[in-house]
Amino acid sequence: AQSVAQPEDQVNVAEGNPLTVKCTYSVSGNPYLFWYVQYPNRGLQFLLKYITGDNLVKGSYGFEAEFNKSQTSFHLKKPSALVSDSALYFCAVRGPNQAGTALIFGKGTTLSVSS
Amino acid sequence: GAVVSQHPSWVICKSGTSVKIECRSLDFQATTMFWYRQFPKQSLMLMATSNEGSKATYEQGVEKDKFLINHASLTLSTLTVTSAHPEDSSFYICSAGGRSDTQYFGPGTRLTVL
Repeated sequence: AQSVAQPEDQVNVAEGNPLTVKCTYSVSGNPYLFWYVQYPNRGLQFLLKYITGDNLVKGSYGFEAEFNKSQTSFHLKKPSALVSDSALYFCAVRGPNQAGTALIFGKGTTLSVSS
Repeated sequence: GAVVSQHPSWVICKSGTSVKIECRSLDFQATTMFWYRQFPKQSLMLMATSNEGSKATYEQGVEKDKFLINHASLTLSTLTVTSAHPEDSSFYICSAGGRSDTQYFGPGTRLTVL
């Protein structure tokens, strides 16, 4: 069965410091991996995805994520956090050859960036 | 990225009434749309998969007679919560992706049932 784990309920970081939001996955075959961000009372905004190619994926708002097949991880990173990055972050996965199927989401990680 | 809209953004209704939520893909055709429910500070729970021109596929535990889904065109899916009760109060979110690998999400609808 496919699954996604976000081991941290909350990540706290000071503005200007680097941030990492962790995600590990379990899927048969090569995974399609996604990160979304959600601000209060809003829908999810797409940040980035990994389908194939370079393991380091760059996305919106300065975020990037690194696909690590051996560790089955897809951690979200940003070199310098902003207060405005504070939000709820979701990692999601689906298996290959599953176009048109729903994504499987992690439970979410709340990122809090202090000034 | 692609744009998905939802209407209304919030609704308050009395117990026993029905509420319709619309999900539209504004700049692409969506052969498949998904409906999710989200409780406060929790992840998204997939309710059903809506396929254009065919019946929706519901996840286990989701009452299809209570949550009616219609996907009449490639740009519109509707979710009707029938005979709503307070326990149906939640944040409902739709997503669509067409032929893309990426799912784009609507802004969500906050339903409050009194």
